[in-house]
Amino acid sequence: DQQVKQNSPSLSVQEGRISILNCDYTNSMFDYFLWYKKYPAEGPTFLISISSIKDKNEDGRFTVFLNKSAKHLSLHIVPSQPGDSAVYFCAARVRPDQNGNHDMRFGAGTRLTVKP
Amino acid sequence: NAGVTQTPKFQVLKTGQSMTLQCAQDMNHEYMSWYRQDPGMGLRLIHYSVGAGITDQGEVPNGYNVSRSTTEDFPLRLLSAAPSQTSVYFCASSFGTGAHYEQYFGPGTRLTVT
Repeated sequence: DQQVKQNSPSLSVQEGRISILNCDYTNSMFDYFLWYKKYPAEGPTFLISISSIKDKNEDGRFTVFLNKSAKHLSLHIVPSQPGDSAVYFCAARVRPDQNGNHDMRFGAGTRLTVKP
Repeated sequence: NAGVTQTPKFQVLKTGQSMTLQCAQDMNHEYMSWYRQDPGMGLRLIHYSVGAGITDQGEVPNGYNVSRSTTEDFPLRLLSAAPSQTSVYFCASSFGTGAHYEQYFGPGTRLTVT
């Protein structure tokens, strides 16, 4: 049961244009959503996050939008640069219980290629 | 700071063998976790710990054991390796359930079970 889905395995955009990566989820108990970027042979690195009580968070060229009614979030990269070429993972945290225990779910990833 | 370190980088095991994947962090993070990454599956949480002495199961815990005797270390044990455990394993840590909750990942261990 994949609770976090990234339906596009790959995306190719031209340098300078906008990249939009999408993510859908099914679990209403997610309270935080995060985007990670991964280069080959390295561990993922954190990009940006958003709380479930917000609908937008911006950090430089990266903006994450959350549409709770549609259970959909997206990552916008503007302008896209060749160095942004990587695999991007959407992740969601299940709201912690009273002991602080919680689960994390990741999507399968989208490979972004930014062409010079 | 070294961040999150994992050893070994690569490992080949025969079916039925046991081994321990090591993970250490020097950031005094409370929360540590283990993931496996398989093609088309993203990262799946195996086990996690919210502090020394406390561990819990994630999405795919079967076949793996963990313990957390110190804040710094979080080893993952494969008791009897199976080909289905061929994967890339990532360890991660974070400050815990804080508002930003970003995890710092190690470089990964690529495990092949034959």
